[in-house]
Amino acid sequence: KQEVTQIPAALSVPEGENLVLNCSFTDSAIYNLQWFRQDPGKGLTSLLLIQSSQREQTSGRLNASLDKSSGRSTLYIAASQPGDSATYLCAARSSGNTPLVFGKGTRLSVIA
Amino acid sequence: GAVVSQHPSRVICKSGTSVKIECRSLDFQATTMFWYRQFPKQSLMLMATSNEGSKATYEQGVEKDKFLINHASLTLSTLTVTSAHPEDSSFYICSAAGQGFDEQFFGPGTRLTVL
Repeated sequence: KQEVTQIPAALSVPEGENLVLNCSFTDSAIYNLQWFRQDPGKGLTSLLLIQSSQREQTSGRLNASLDKSSGRSTLYIAASQPGDSATYLCAARSSGNTPLVFGKGTRLSVIA
Repeated sequence: GAVVSQHPSRVICKSGTSVKIECRSLDFQATTMFWYRQFPKQSLMLMATSNEGSKATYEQGVEKDKFLINHASLTLSTLTVTSAHPEDSSFYICSAAGQGFDEQFFGPGTRLTVL
């Protein structure tokens, strides 16, 4: 059964810093992996979706990588801003018919 | 991306009552829907998976008689929390996938508070 782990659980950085959030998964035969953002008391905002055949995806200041062999994904945020403060969730699917399994998230605070 | 709505966004009820949450796919046909639950500062935990016209498949530890799921059409799934108790207070999020199931799309969530 797929398990997803995110490290660190919380992170506080000064504005402007580049940062990396880590995600690891146990079943390397994943179908795809997705990064979400969740603001307090709100739903999920999809950030990036990486298919198993891809190594990375980029959107603006965000870049997500996928290394199936090591069971890892990273979310890179460039030039962080206070508006990036939120919880970032990593989720992985093991096959085409199974749902996303979520990690516990990394709570990011960007200090102005 | 595709749009999924949930109603209500927030509900407060008394202990012992039943609450129904609706999940709708607005611009696509959702052959599969998922219900997740999120406790404060915890991650999303899958409760059940439902395919249109079929009975839902519940995850281990989720009481099917307490959390009734109906997926009667390709655009609507409902979750009914029966005889709600304070420990059922949580954030419930639905997710939908179309035929081919390439991506799951998430609703905005429903905050349930049971007094």
